[in-house]
Amino acid sequence: GENVEQHPSTLSVQEGDSAVIKCTYSDSASNYFPWYKQELGKRPQLIIDIRSNVGEKKDQRIAVTLNKTAKHFSLHITETQPEDSAVYFCAASGTGRRALTFGSGTRLQVQP
Amino acid sequence: DSGVTQTPKHLITATGQRVTLRCSPRSGDLSVYWYQQSLDQGLQFLIQYYNGEERAKGNILERFSAQQFPDLHSELNLSSLELGDSALYFCASSGGLTGELFFGEGSRLTVL
Repeated sequence: GENVEQHPSTLSVQEGDSAVIKCTYSDSASNYFPWYKQELGKRPQLIIDIRSNVGEKKDQRIAVTLNKTAKHFSLHITETQPEDSAVYFCAASGTGRRALTFGSGTRLQVQP
Repeated sequence: DSGVTQTPKHLITATGQRVTLRCSPRSGDLSVYWYQQSLDQGLQFLIQYYNGEERAKGNILERFSAQQFPDLHSELNLSSLELGDSALYFCASSGGLTGELFFGEGSRLTVL
């Protein structure tokens, strides 16, 4: 089955700095790569996703890049704000209704 | 609000007991997924149902079982509970082929 590794496990940045979280996956058949944000005690919520036919996708201050050859994808957050503090999970899955396999999560702390 | 409803929100029980967690997916979603999140841990995939049938199994213990009913709601049954079963149990649903999962608020199970 799919295995997703995520690094780093914790990340502390100053407000206004950029944050980068990296993930690798094992199943070359995976073609959907979402990122979820989970605030303390809350449910995970999708913040951005990318499919295998796209190399990069941006949405305001967040962007995701995908390298299918190397089987890794990354989340980039620019101009970080205290409200970006949360746990971020990457995930991967195949076509259609296959279950997502999640990475172990990155706890991002943005220092004011 | 994701449209996914989980009950109960909190549950405290004793070792050896059995509990049932309930999930109503978003209107129209045929797939239901169950994930377990232990304290400060990632999201471990347990099981997936699609339109009443089991679609995929993850790291689900034999003491756990699930089903999806004709009205598409799902139940996760946890029996012979152990202290280590204490966790947040998320249900998620998805529809179509987008792959995006919509999570409920979770059911927090505490086993004493």
